[in-house]
Amino acid sequence: DGGITQSPKYLFRKEGQNVTLSCEQNLNHDAMYWYRQDPGQGLRLIYYSQIVNDFQKGDIAEGYSVSREKKESFPLTVTSAQKNPTAFYLCASSIEGLSYNEQFFGPGTRLTVL
Amino acid sequence: SQQGEEDPQALSIQEGENATMNCSYKTSINNLQWYRQNSGRGLVHLILIRSNEREKHSGRLRVTLDTSKKSSSLLITASRAADTASYFCATDGKTGNQFYFGTGTSLTVIP
Repeated sequence: DGGITQSPKYLFRKEGQNVTLSCEQNLNHDAMYWYRQDPGQGLRLIYYSQIVNDFQKGDIAEGYSVSREKKESFPLTVTSAQKNPTAFYLCASSIEGLSYNEQFFGPGTRLTVL
Repeated sequence: SQQGEEDPQALSIQEGENATMNCSYKTSINNLQWYRQNSGRGLVHLILIRSNEREKHSGRLRVTLDTSKKSSSLLITASRAADTASYFCATDGKTGNQFYFGTGTSLTVIP
């Protein structure tokens, strides 16, 4: 089955630790995105990548880092510099990084800082 | 921020009734999309409407777009309990390569 997967589903982190969230897609999509969703809120863009080895900051990139070494994978690292990391993180992909393309979303990772 | 705003924030209706939710945005757009999110899950694409379109249908969904008012509406006809979810609009601004999501409307359909 084609789709986009995220792991883990739940993640707990102690303050001061970096954690990496996984996102993999087998849809052969060029573009991939990371969003953050806080309770009762919409999605805010953290980073996006339109092609391998290239990525751009979204509206709330501070305290996060990404890599795009393979077309299928777009991991997100939440660093200790992110002051309020507890949130629901969603990864998405689209055929191309253009706004007339539908975005396909993964099931999300819920990160809690203890 | 270019983020859109949905209205109402929450909506509760009886099964079989129609549900209407609205989205307002701030800057000119190329495209507007509507997505659905079941609780604790990822989003699912519902429909896209381009800036030169005024109305679009897909099954029980009807979307309108008024670019002069910078607003869009999503109508779900003959609602079902399974339609219970949050609904988000997403606009692209003029950048064309990233989306700005609204705050969402939480719809509850009572059986």
